[in-house]
Amino acid sequence: DQQVKQNSPSLSVQEGRISILNCDYTNSMFDYFLWYKKYPAEGPTFLISISSIKDKNEDGRFTVFLNKSAKHLSLHIVPSQPGDSAVYFCAAGEGGGSQGNLIFGKGTKLSVKP
Amino acid sequence: DADVTQTPRNRITKTGKRIMLECSQTKGHDRMYWYRQDPGLGLQLIYYSFDVKDINKGEISDGYSVSRQAQAKFSLSLESAIPNQTALYFCATSDSTLTGGNEQFFGPGTRLTVL
Repeated sequence: DQQVKQNSPSLSVQEGRISILNCDYTNSMFDYFLWYKKYPAEGPTFLISISSIKDKNEDGRFTVFLNKSAKHLSLHIVPSQPGDSAVYFCAAGEGGGSQGNLIFGKGTKLSVKP
Repeated sequence: DADVTQTPRNRITKTGKRIMLECSQTKGHDRMYWYRQDPGLGLQLIYYSFDVKDINKGEISDGYSVSRQAQAKFSLSLESAIPNQTALYFCATSDSTLTGGNEQFFGPGTRLTVL
């Protein structure tokens, strides 16, 4: 039973446009959420996070939105660049992240076309 | 230099063999984790360690064991490898003293094939 779901295995976007990656969760105890980016032959790298006390967090071209009532979060990339092409994983944790364990979604492969 | 290193990067072995994957970190983090990734699936937690004397099972620990030899070293063993353990294995670290959440830092991965 998946606690963190990324229902779109892949997404294709034109360079310069917005990329929106979605993530749903079922465990109401999750209160900390992260996005990781993974290139082939590399480990995942941290991108951006959000605490449940916020509904938005922004870092440059990347913004994460959290809708607690819907148990849904999304990652917006604006503008999208070819170098953003990668697999993006959504992850969730409890205890403000202090408990350490993260539950990961299956990932969404983003392709940004020039 | 990489902060989280994994050895070997690639390994092919046969069914029934014992194999060890090693992870070292220079970040000074107290927490370490082992994950596996199968094609089309996310990262699944195998074992985690919050300090040298604290080892815990994750979602899929059957068939695996771990050893935390030092704060900087965390190894994963497959006592008798089987083909469905063919996967990409990642080690990760985190710092419990950081406020704001548990950002984990990942190694480059080990690709393991069990024939």
